[in-house]
Amino acid sequence: EADIYQTPRYLVIGTGKKITLECSQTMGHDKMYWYQQDPGMELHLIHYSYGVNSTEKGDLSSESTVSRIRTEHFPLTLESARPSHTSQYLCASSKGGYQPQHFGDGTRLSIL
Amino acid sequence: SQQGEEDPQALSIQEGENATMNCSYKTSINNLQWYRQNSGRGLVHLILIRSNEREKHSGRLRVTLDTSKKSSSLLITASRAADTASYFCATDATGANSKLTFGKGITLSVRP
Repeated sequence: EADIYQTPRYLVIGTGKKITLECSQTMGHDKMYWYQQDPGMELHLIHYSYGVNSTEKGDLSSESTVSRIRTEHFPLTLESARPSHTSQYLCASSKGGYQPQHFGDGTRLSIL
Repeated sequence: SQQGEEDPQALSIQEGENATMNCSYKTSINNLQWYRQNSGRGLVHLILIRSNEREKHSGRLRVTLDTSKKSSSLLITASRAADTASYFCATDATGANSKLTFGKGITLSVRP
């Protein structure tokens, strides 16, 4: 299994709270990604990074923001959580090229 | 717009039987990848096939790619109960593995 970790695994929190979802990888991968996945549905890319200080928005518009200050760390932040943010958030990393993406086990977020 | 579409949406087979899953896509690709997702977990990479390849094998997995029809198939031979999971195809249009576009997935149930 790949060495990519997401915390927390589950989070239930009230509307209006600021949330940070953590993602760390120990493989030294330059490329990292955040996906949003509703139950039984496809993954939608919401953010990606090609390296330190590089962040880009993905295909699905998201109110979240990301930062990449260190290679191994790619946190996602929601400044003010809303019920519409309820979903599963998956983090992944890759060497790039023809190398696969390695996924964490996700954070299942529920906003009340 | 969704790039990959898997077919069927759900598949239920007996242990020992073969499982065939199909994926169609819309635009030209550099490579196509298949991933597995167990319930409540992240995705695990299974196999990658490049656009200039027609067939690839990995253990009990066989993947084919027909770029003229923009389609791919994943065959799992001699299925086991542990193969029960959701299977996703993902297309990489650029070759830099910068962004993967995922389909909605196929739910495979293997009955013991």
